[in-house]
Amino acid sequence: KNQVEQSPQSLIILEGKNCTLQCNYTVSPFSNLRWYKQDTGRGPVSLTIMTFSENTKSNGRYTATLDADTKQSSLHITASQLSDSASYICVVTRTGNQFYFGTGTSLTVIP
Amino acid sequence: DAGVIQSPRHEVTEMGQEVTLRCKPISGHDYLFWYRQTMMRGLELLIYFNNNVPIDDSGMPEDRFSAKMPNASFSTLKIQPSEPRDSAVYFCASSFSLAYYEQYFGPGTRLTVT
Repeated sequence: KNQVEQSPQSLIILEGKNCTLQCNYTVSPFSNLRWYKQDTGRGPVSLTIMTFSENTKSNGRYTATLDADTKQSSLHITASQLSDSASYICVVTRTGNQFYFGTGTSLTVIP
Repeated sequence: DAGVIQSPRHEVTEMGQEVTLRCKPISGHDYLFWYRQTMMRGLELLIYFNNNVPIDDSGMPEDRFSAKMPNASFSTLKIQPSEPRDSAVYFCASSFSLAYYEQYFGPGTRLTVT
């Protein structure tokens, strides 16, 4: 069964600290993996899109990694800021353009 | 560009009424997507269009839902009749391409059916 699981479900960290969010999937055959950031009350915003051949991709303080062999991805946030408080959603695309969504990780950054 | 535009931003209606949500994609984008988001089910893809043609509507929950894209700059998602379980935030997104291009989401329409 094609599934995407994210962990943790929620996370609270102090401003300035680093954190890592996980995304494990069973989707096959794999096409690409996307990470979105969604602020409360707003639409998701794309952070990264990774294909099979990409292991690491950065977008400012956000770094995504992909291990296609173990079917795992992580999103690392460096030197967190209050504005990083949001939900982070992992979406895996199956060959044939079928999308599978994780339920998201809710991140709260406190001063 | 103003980004993806959705209207209305909030809609409150009574069960049984028809609801129409509207979307204007970013100019030049060939793909348009309709999503639904709830606390219980998260983000779900309902349907997407390519060059105004519906490509995959397998996510549309039932016949009460219908979507159209009469031209490249306008799409509607209609629910008739509406039910309380349709209460959700509905997002429209657009993209240049399907595979490796990012999708740009609109601000969403919060629908409440009482």
